[in-house]
Amino acid sequence: AQSVTQLDSQVPVFEEAPVELRCNYSSSVSVYLFWYVQYPNQGLQLLLKYLSGSTLVKGINGFEAEFNKSQTSFHLRKPSVHISDTAEYFCAVSRLRASGGYNKLIFGAGTRLAVHP
Amino acid sequence: DADVTQTPRNRITKTGKRIMLECSQTKGHDRMYWYRQDPGLGLRLIYYSFDVKDINKGEISDGYSVSRQAQAKFSLSLESAIPNQTALYFCATSEGETQYFGPGTRLLVL
Repeated sequence: AQSVTQLDSQVPVFEEAPVELRCNYSSSVSVYLFWYVQYPNQGLQLLLKYLSGSTLVKGINGFEAEFNKSQTSFHLRKPSVHISDTAEYFCAVSRLRASGGYNKLIFGAGTRLAVHP
Repeated sequence: DADVTQTPRNRITKTGKRIMLECSQTKGHDRMYWYRQDPGLGLRLIYYSFDVKDINKGEISDGYSVSRQAQAKFSLSLESAIPNQTALYFCATSEGETQYFGPGTRLLVL
């Protein structure tokens, strides 16, 4: 079974500072990896995903994440955050799907990013 | 217009009442999902459906039921609401490996 650990429940940071939100997963098989963002009073929006290929994935709003298979990590980074990045961020994993099958999306508990002026 | 809509957006109900949360999508996806979100627990899957004839239980289906009325509509029912079903509920659709979420329904059971 897969599981996802987001190592920080809250991350406070000043505007224009860099940020890293950490995500580790456990799985005995190959996986797909996702980061979703939830702005206040809104649903979840896909930020970026890793399915295959380059381990450095670029997403919306200047975010990027790097898949590290040996460390089973998929940390999210942004070099300079804005006030508008204040939100909750969820890491999620699903197993590579066999033809016709379904592997559910497993979410981490979330990391609340608070950007201060 | 939003691709995935949920109604109502907020609901307060009493213990023992039956309520229904509705989800509609215009994305044309066959697969739809219901999740609940609780603080510190992330999202957990309640039910999912691959098409109108295919309904499957997720990890926390007890106390819930669903109906897939059409490709575009997937409803979640609480037959007899209890306080620990107070949560934020999300509907989602998927194409390939990517899921797309609605805005959520905030439910309070008193």
